[in-house]
Amino acid sequence: DAGVTQSPTHLIKTRGQQVTLRCSPKSGHDTVSWYQQALGQGPQFIFQYYEEEERQRGNFPDRFSGHQFPNYSSELNVNALLLGDSALYLCASQRRGANYGYTFGSGTRLTVV
Amino acid sequence: GESVGLHLPTLSVQEGDNSIINCAYSNSASDYFIWYKQESGKGPQFIIDIRSNMDKRQGQRVTVLLNKTVKHLSLQIAATQPGDSAVYFCAENTGDNYGQNFVFGPGTRLSVLP
Repeated sequence: DAGVTQSPTHLIKTRGQQVTLRCSPKSGHDTVSWYQQALGQGPQFIFQYYEEEERQRGNFPDRFSGHQFPNYSSELNVNALLLGDSALYLCASQRRGANYGYTFGSGTRLTVV
Repeated sequence: GESVGLHLPTLSVQEGDNSIINCAYSNSASDYFIWYKQESGKGPQFIIDIRSNMDKRQGQRVTVLLNKTVKHLSLQIAATQPGDSAVYFCAENTGDNYGQNFVFGPGTRLSVLP
């Protein structure tokens, strides 16, 4: 049973560019959350998707947007990249209404130069 | 605002000793907490959780204690092994009925000495 899978594993982008990160949730999970983890810090909540809609959002600018597809997979898009967007981006999935925590993927390491 | 923090950013213990990692949280309304372990190059891995109607929960070699009076969590690891070396985060659920939303602390790095 595959867990949460993310692609790509590493990515280098230039300031001002746009990036799309992808996530496939664990089998049986329908809710996907995205987190940003800067080096040496804890993960910060970006947003959560369920039934193809954004349900909750953290304190991130509109440059961060997402999408969820009918098969529950999800994308995170970041526009107008800044150097400060360099981080590990984590995807986490869960079955809606479950009384336990997320399952995390291994993340995408984004470097903005 | 809501926040979860850790008292000790780094902790070094001898192999075989017990480890205690502490965490303070600020939202007294939070009802669910998780400890995650993150190894280098990997995503956070669930270790153990506890709900606010409990003050202690035990797993295999791990115990979580919750003191709601002082808003404090701790993770105890018995007979610490080299494989326990990692960064440990406590996370507090601040989500609503639509789904969980965890606030993570900055983490504690646990180093196990041979």
